[in-house]
Amino acid sequence: DAGVTQSPTHLIKTRGQQVTLRCSPKSGHDTVSWYQQALGQGPQFIFQYYEEEERQRGNFPDRFSGHQFPNYSSELNVNALLLGDSALYLCASSLAGGGSNQPQHFGDGTRLSIL
Amino acid sequence: SQKIEQNSEALNIQEGKTATLTCNYTNYSPAYLQWYRQDPGRGPVFLLLIRENEKEKRKERLKVTFDTTLKQSLFHITASQPADSATYLCALNALSGGSYIPTFGRGTSLIVHP
Repeated sequence: DAGVTQSPTHLIKTRGQQVTLRCSPKSGHDTVSWYQQALGQGPQFIFQYYEEEERQRGNFPDRFSGHQFPNYSSELNVNALLLGDSALYLCASSLAGGGSNQPQHFGDGTRLSIL
Repeated sequence: SQKIEQNSEALNIQEGKTATLTCNYTNYSPAYLQWYRQDPGRGPVFLLLIRENEKEKRKERLKVTFDTTLKQSLFHITASQPADSATYLCALNALSGGSYIPTFGRGTSLIVHP
């Protein structure tokens, strides 16, 4: 049973560029959340997708956008990259609409470095 | 402002002892709290969830307590092993805009010495 898979594992971009990160949820899961984790910090919630719509959003600018596809996979897009966007980007999936007490299953993330 | 605090200093203990990690929070009314384990270069792995009306939860060598009066959760690993060495994250889920948004602490590094 495949868990959450993310691609690519590493990515190097320069300031001002755009990036797309991809996530396939754990089999049977329908909700995908994205997090940003800076070095030495805990994951910070970016947004959550359910039924192909953004359901909740954390305190991130509009440069961060996403999409969920009918097969529940998801993409995170970041435009106009800044040096401060360098971080580990984590995708997490959960079951049944990501209800209040559902634990999340995380992928191993994409390490994004901005030069 | 809302804040979640976990010890930033690493916790070093000897194999076989009980490790106790602390998660304190302010200005939150979490419905539930979760603990995750994170190894270097890997994503967090869910360990335990405890609800606001529960005082204690156990799973094998793990125990979590949740005191909403003290605004504190304690995470215990009994009979610790070197394989338990990792960073442990607590996450609060509080109601925001009709949904429960998880907020993570920065984690505490646990090092178990053989």
